[in-house]
Amino acid sequence: AQTVTQSQPEMSVQEAETVTLSCTYDTSESDYYLFWYKQPPSRQMILVIRQEAYKQQNATENRFSVNFQKAAKSFSLKISDSQLGDAAMYFCAYRSAGNFGNEKLTFGTGTRLTIIP
Amino acid sequence: EAGVVQSPRYKIIEKKQPVAFWCNPISGHNTLYWYRQNLGQGPELLIRYENEEAVDDSQLPKDRFSAERLKGVDSTLKIQPAELGDSAVYLCASSLGRTTPEQYFGPGTRLTVT
Repeated sequence: AQTVTQSQPEMSVQEAETVTLSCTYDTSESDYYLFWYKQPPSRQMILVIRQEAYKQQNATENRFSVNFQKAAKSFSLKISDSQLGDAAMYFCAYRSAGNFGNEKLTFGTGTRLTIIP
Repeated sequence: EAGVVQSPRYKIIEKKQPVAFWCNPISGHNTLYWYRQNLGQGPELLIRYENEEAVDDSQLPKDRFSAERLKGVDSTLKIQPAELGDSAVYLCASSLGRTTPEQYFGPGTRLTVT
């Protein structure tokens, strides 16, 4: 079974600065997807960014980018120019790609990000 | 385009009472998921539907939980009877299909069992 670990329960960053959230995972599969979701106090999980395991290039979405290290099974999220609206719980998630019977998302326990004005 | 709709947003019930949650996925999304999120944890899958067929319900506590998606569109998750440990946020998500990995979530229902 796959597991996802987020070792930072809480992080804080000054507004306009850069912060990196860590995520490691364990799997024996070679083909999979990794995601970062954001969950503000409204509770709605919002997709931030996605990475396919077969792609060596790190995904980027505006101020959000990832550092995907497949051999190390590491998937960190970098938020540049942090804004007050970035304050939320951030969840790392894993999904198998090759096994149609196992399409659920496996989540980590989350990192609470606080933005300091 | 409307997102995933869930109702109610909040529900408070006494233990042993029944409760039901409703979800309407994004239009055209064939795959629907119900997740449960306990306090301080990430969501965990309860059941997944491909159209009207439940294809993964291995984590659904079948003695008290049931779900249906009769016409392959909206879905209902029911708990009967509720227990104190069922207090959690129940999230519904949908995706286009098996080959589309992104799942889009609704706002969830926060259930409190007293």
